Amino acid sequence: AQSVAQPEDQVNVAEGNPLTVKCTYSVSGNPYLFWYVQYPNRGLQFLLKYITGDNLVKGSYGFEAEFNKSQTSFHLKKPSALVSDSALYFCAVRDPNTGGFKTIFGAGTRLFVKA
Amino acid sequence: DAGVTQSPTHLIKTRGQQVTLRCSPKSGHDTVSWYQQALGQGPQFIFQYYEEEERQRGNFPDRFSGHQFPNYSSELNVNALLLGDSALYLCASSLAGVRTGELFFGEGSRLTVL
Repeated sequence: AQSVAQPEDQVNVAEGNPLTVKCTYSVSGNPYLFWYVQYPNRGLQFLLKYITGDNLVKGSYGFEAEFNKSQTSFHLKKPSALVSDSALYFCAVRDPNTGGFKTIFGAGTRLFVKA
Repeated sequence: DAGVTQSPTHLIKTRGQQVTLRCSPKSGHDTVSWYQQALGQGPQFIFQYYEEEERQRGNFPDRFSGHQFPNYSSELNVNALLLGDSALYLCASSLAGVRTGELFFGEGSRLTVL
């Protein structure tokens, strides 16, 4: 069965510093991987995805993520954090071997960016 | 271009009651997925509807049921409400022919069960 883990409940970073939010997954074969962001009392917004090809994918708001098949990881990164990046971040996986119908989400990582 | 819309935004019910939540997908989308997000947790997959049928289901009891209409809109019904059903219910739409596509979420319906 597919699953995704976000080992950190919270990440704290100073504005202007680089940030990393970690994600590992468990899927047989080649997964489809996604990152979403959620602001307070709002729905989830798509940031970026990895389907195939280049292991480094770029997304919205300057975020990027690196797919590492050997480590089954898909960490979210940003070179320079902004206070406005403070939000809840979810990693998600979809298994194309099961028809690719359902997307499974991690528990989320809360990012605090301090001015 | 309207995004995903959900109604109602907030509602309060008591244990044992029934609730119906509604969702209109993003224009052009034909697939609707429902998620339950408890406070402080990630969204949990309830089920997905396509062509008016439940295509896949998560680990939720039969008290949770749904429906999809010919215009692709969808309803989530929960019977015999429990306190533990209190959560944010999220609807997400997508295009069935694009398995690699991302989900588009509505703002959610926050259900409180007293």
